Amino acid sequence: ILNVEQSPQSLHVQEGDSTNFTCSFPSSNFYALHWYRWETAKSPEALFVMTLNGDEKKKGRISATLNTKEGYSYLYIKGSQPEDSATYLCAFLNNRKLIWGLGTSLAVNP
Amino acid sequence: ETGVTQSPTHLIKTRGQQVTLRCSSQSGHNTVSWYQQALGQGPQFIFQYYREEENGRGNFPPRFSGLQFPNYSSELNVNALELDDSALYLCASSPEGGRTGELFFGEGSRLAVL
Repeated sequence: ILNVEQSPQSLHVQEGDSTNFTCSFPSSNFYALHWYRWETAKSPEALFVMTLNGDEKKKGRISATLNTKEGYSYLYIKGSQPEDSATYLCAFLNNRKLIWGLGTSLAVNP
Repeated sequence: ETGVTQSPTHLIKTRGQQVTLRCSSQSGHNTVSWYQQALGQGPQFIFQYYREEENGRGNFPPRFSGLQFPNYSSELNVNALELDDSALYLCASSPEGGRTGELFFGEGSRLAVL
């Protein structure tokens, strides 16, 4: 059974704090690793699609790294803002199917 | 550019009934995937359609079926509804088979089965 695990399950930080979450996935048959942000009452929105071992991607204050050999990806948020409050989901692409983690719920207090 | 739209946004059904959910894909996208998200769970892959053909299926029973039309819009049909089918159903579109590219999601259809 293929499993994607995310940690922590939830996180509360103060505005201005930097934070990071982990996504663990099977290291075999790797095709791609997706990160999505899902704000309440909105659609999930793609942050990154990562395909190469050692990939680092950045979008504004958010960045992600990928280690396909050991099966993990980190998502970093620098200087968290209240608008970063959302659930962050990762998904592992296996045989054309995306297998999703349960997400990390981030709350940023002003 | 029109985004992914889903209808209806909310609906209530009773056990044993049938439901059809609809999705219009983003302009230029020929691949549609459907996901079920039950309370407290991550999205679970139901199936994917690429150019009107089913292109992959998750662990859902045959009473979950779908269609994709020539304009790439899609339907999800669920027969003989069960209480556990209560969930948010998300549709996502992507270009060219959705192999590694990002998905573009609709806002979902929330189904309650009583």
